[in-house]
Amino acid sequence: DTAVSQTPKYLVTQMGNDKSIKCEQNLGHDTMYWYKQDSKKFLKIMFSYNNKELIINETVPNRFSPKSPDKAHLNLHINSLELGDSAVYFCASSQGPGVQETQYFGPGTRLLVL
Amino acid sequence: AQSVTQPDIHITVSEGASLELRCNYSYGATPYLFWYVQSPGQGLQLLLKYFSGDTLVQGIKGFEAEFKRSQSSFNLRKPSVHWSDAAEYFCAVGAGYSSASKIIFGSGTRLSIRP
Repeated sequence: DTAVSQTPKYLVTQMGNDKSIKCEQNLGHDTMYWYKQDSKKFLKIMFSYNNKELIINETVPNRFSPKSPDKAHLNLHINSLELGDSAVYFCASSQGPGVQETQYFGPGTRLLVL
Repeated sequence: AQSVTQPDIHITVSEGASLELRCNYSYGATPYLFWYVQSPGQGLQLLLKYFSGDTLVQGIKGFEAEFKRSQSSFNLRKPSVHWSDAAEYFCAVGAGYSSASKIIFGSGTRLSIRP
């Protein structure tokens, strides 16, 4: 009964490729997030969606494009992968938007770009 | 804009010893404060959070944290650590009331437990 799940768990790919990471939550939450954790464990928000609408869009290269087909899913597509994209990407969800809401994190997707 | 600092990159304590992890924040008003734990290869799990009221907050797994406005701190404590507490701990601060407000995470403190 995984609350927030991500696929794949590991992703190894070559520079220049395009890849997608999928996220699903079964908590009935309205808000979902993508975070990037770099090699120094620094965690930074990338995007947030509320009811399928984009509400947070940090300074992220436009090679990264989130898509929310419904409230329970938030996918992340990355074009033309670069070495610097290597990181752990976490999906999270919360009941609603705003910092007062507890965020529930997925297990992460470890992306390695060679 | 808010920011958060965790001054200790890595701490080692003996099993059964007490623990205090430091966190300092910067924000003009009282922010929302959080502590998350990340076990190896896992996502983050919320330990506790502070919004207002009693400045001593109890969390899961026997952790507590105290909000000290005068010191802009929100240190995490546990009276007696267990080997299973070995993990990365993140302090986070959130501020603002809009739906676009976000949480800023500290750089983390890695906790090792000495048998």
